[in-house]
Amino acid sequence: GAGVSQSPSNKVTEKGKDVELRCDPISGHTALYWYRQSLGQGLEFLIYFQGNSAPDKSGLPSDRFSAERTGGSVSTLTIQRTQQEDSAVYLCASSLPIGATNSPLHFGNGTRLTVT
Amino acid sequence: QKEVEQDPGPLSVPEGAIVSLNCTYSNSAFQYFMWYRQYSRKGPELLMYTYSSGNKEDGRFTAQVDKSSKYISLFIRDSQPSDSATYLCAIGMFGNEKLTFGTGTRLTIIP
Repeated sequence: GAGVSQSPSNKVTEKGKDVELRCDPISGHTALYWYRQSLGQGLEFLIYFQGNSAPDKSGLPSDRFSAERTGGSVSTLTIQRTQQEDSAVYLCASSLPIGATNSPLHFGNGTRLTVT
Repeated sequence: QKEVEQDPGPLSVPEGAIVSLNCTYSNSAFQYFMWYRQYSRKGPELLMYTYSSGNKEDGRFTAQVDKSSKYISLFIRDSQPSDSATYLCAIGMFGNEKLTFGTGTRLTIIP
């Protein structure tokens, strides 16, 4: 079956421009996460959506970062006025409803963002 | 102090060797422990999941948790070149679904 799909797979942008990253989760997965992976830094939590509940935005590094999830499915991560330190791989993951036993995160292959 | 510490490697071993990958964590409130494998330019995939102290075995892979020492390990027996990847430990708490990841250990199995 289809896994988590992210687009674009690569994005090169100039400093100061806005970018939008898209995530299509696995059908039926109500939980959706965004993580950022930088070289030598591991995976950094950004934001988490669960069903119709208010998202947990506690990991967003600045107000230039925002995310939305429409219709409980597709999610878009937006970075405004990009900076060079935003360069990283942005990973999306989805999972079964919280509380389901053994509900591991299923990751997409990420969007590799390079800010020049 | 980071919540999870993981030696980034890189680690290179010959094919057939036993590999030991380790993480330490600082908060005893963490309740479940995972190992993810990440191939180059791919997303992480779940390898092992456990929430109790002791060993859990799955084929050539064994996950070990020592809650008293706040230490987790992943052992790979009869390592194969296809095991070459980055291995990330991840820990979490029930009721708080934000997994905390280690930085990952890059492993290369030499044929």
